[in-house]
Amino acid sequence: KAGVTQTPRYLIKTRGQQVTLSCSPISGHRSVSWYQQTPGQGLQFLFEYFSETQRNKGNFPGRFSGRQFSNSRSEMNVSTLELGDSALYLCASSQEGASGEQYFGPGTRLTVT
Amino acid sequence: DQQVKQNSPSLSVQEGRISILNCDYTNSMFDYFLWYKKYPAEGPTFLISISSIKDKNEDGRFTVFLNKSAKHLSLHIVPSQPGDSAVYFCAASRYSGNTPLVFGKGTRLSVIA
Repeated sequence: KAGVTQTPRYLIKTRGQQVTLSCSPISGHRSVSWYQQTPGQGLQFLFEYFSETQRNKGNFPGRFSGRQFSNSRSEMNVSTLELGDSALYLCASSQEGASGEQYFGPGTRLTVT
Repeated sequence: DQQVKQNSPSLSVQEGRISILNCDYTNSMFDYFLWYKKYPAEGPTFLISISSIKDKNEDGRFTVFLNKSAKHLSLHIVPSQPGDSAVYFCAASRYSGNTPLVFGKGTRLSVIA
């Protein structure tokens, strides 16, 4: 089975712009979760989508949003980018949901200048 | 409030010896615990998990121990190999409540040949 794929792998944006990141889960996985990893921090949960519905949400501002399509592919959007949004954004898919074993993609490295 | 803590940012071990990585948690509702390994430029990879009904789980060279009364878990790697050099993340969740994984900040393990 193909693993979780994320595009793009690297991205440079300017403050105030918006960005959309994409994630394709493992075939058959209906749960997709997004995490943010910043230097010195662990992975911080953004949100989980399951069957096109947001099922869990982390403690991030409304500038961070996401959606899931009928084929389970997911996108994450960040509007009005801030310097502090520079991070590695990881997508993970699961058969069990956000509380179980997650299979991670390689991540998208976002740099905001 | 950090619910999952990995108090050692780094650990160095000689090849062939035991590596012990520690993790503490504060939320007594957590009932599922996982360890992930992360290499640079890759997403985290699942290593091993344990549910709260057990106190030990083994998979090859990896063993996870859970001490519920102390709210402490540890990952033992025996024998350690240079390829084990990576950042290790501890994670926990309320599996029964489908709450998302909460990650520690990670411990960087260096196995010296």
